[in-house]
Amino acid sequence: NAGVTQTPKFRILKIGQSMTLQCAQDMNHNYMYWYRQDPGMGLKLIYYSVGAGITDKGEVPNGYNVSRSTTEDFPLRLELAAPSQTSVYFCASSYGSVYGYTFGSGTRLTVV
Amino acid sequence: DAKTTQPPSMDCAEGRAANLPCNHSTISGNEYVYWYRQIHSQGPQYIIHGLKNNETNEMASLIITEDRKSSTLILPHATLRDTAVYYCIASFTGGGNKLTFGTGTQLKVEL
Repeated sequence: NAGVTQTPKFRILKIGQSMTLQCAQDMNHNYMYWYRQDPGMGLKLIYYSVGAGITDKGEVPNGYNVSRSTTEDFPLRLELAAPSQTSVYFCASSYGSVYGYTFGSGTRLTVV
Repeated sequence: DAKTTQPPSMDCAEGRAANLPCNHSTISGNEYVYWYRQIHSQGPQYIIHGLKNNETNEMASLIITEDRKSSTLILPHATLRDTAVYYCIASFTGGGNKLTFGTGTQLKVEL
C-alpha cells in the first residue's frame, strides 16, 4: 500500500499565482485532513473532510479551498498565493474517530 | 480540546527508557490522549492513544494517571532513530476527530 501520497514535493510560486496540492490515500479512510506547518511551529489545521462530499474549515482556512469528490482524493487549492502561505503542507487520513492519522510526506511550498 | 503542556526538550541515552511527560489538567471525560512524533521534517507518525487505561503497542507504552490530568509516553529502549519531536494531544473524538498540535518535546537520543 502506498498510504498517503502528496504531490508535488516541492514548489515555488510567484505572488498571485494559483496551484493545487494533490493528496490521495489508498486505505479506504473516511476522514482526511490538510495541515500546514511553519518553521519551528506545530501543525495547524486548514480543512478537513469526514467523507466524500463533506468538507469543513479548520483553524486557518483563509486563502484555501478544498473538495472531496471521492473517498481517495482530497486536493487543496491555493488561490492568489501570498508570501504568508510559504509553509510545509501535510495531508493526513484516518479511518474514523478514535483512530490514528496516517500522514503524507508533505509539500514544501515557497511563495516569492 | 484540552490544553497540553510538555517540556520543550529532553535528552536520553541510547538503550535507556525515554519517559516523556505531558500535563493535561483540564481534560474532559470524553477526550482521548494521543501521541505522535515527527522525525526531522517528515510527516508526523502516530504512536499510541488512550482514554483511561494504560496502553502498550510495539512502539511505546502510554501511562495515564488515575485522575487523567497527566500522562507519560515511554519508549522502553530508545535508539538514535527515536530522536524526534513528540506531540501530546488531548482531543474529543467527535466532530471529525480533529487534532490540535502544539510545539511538542524535542527528544534527543545520544550515544
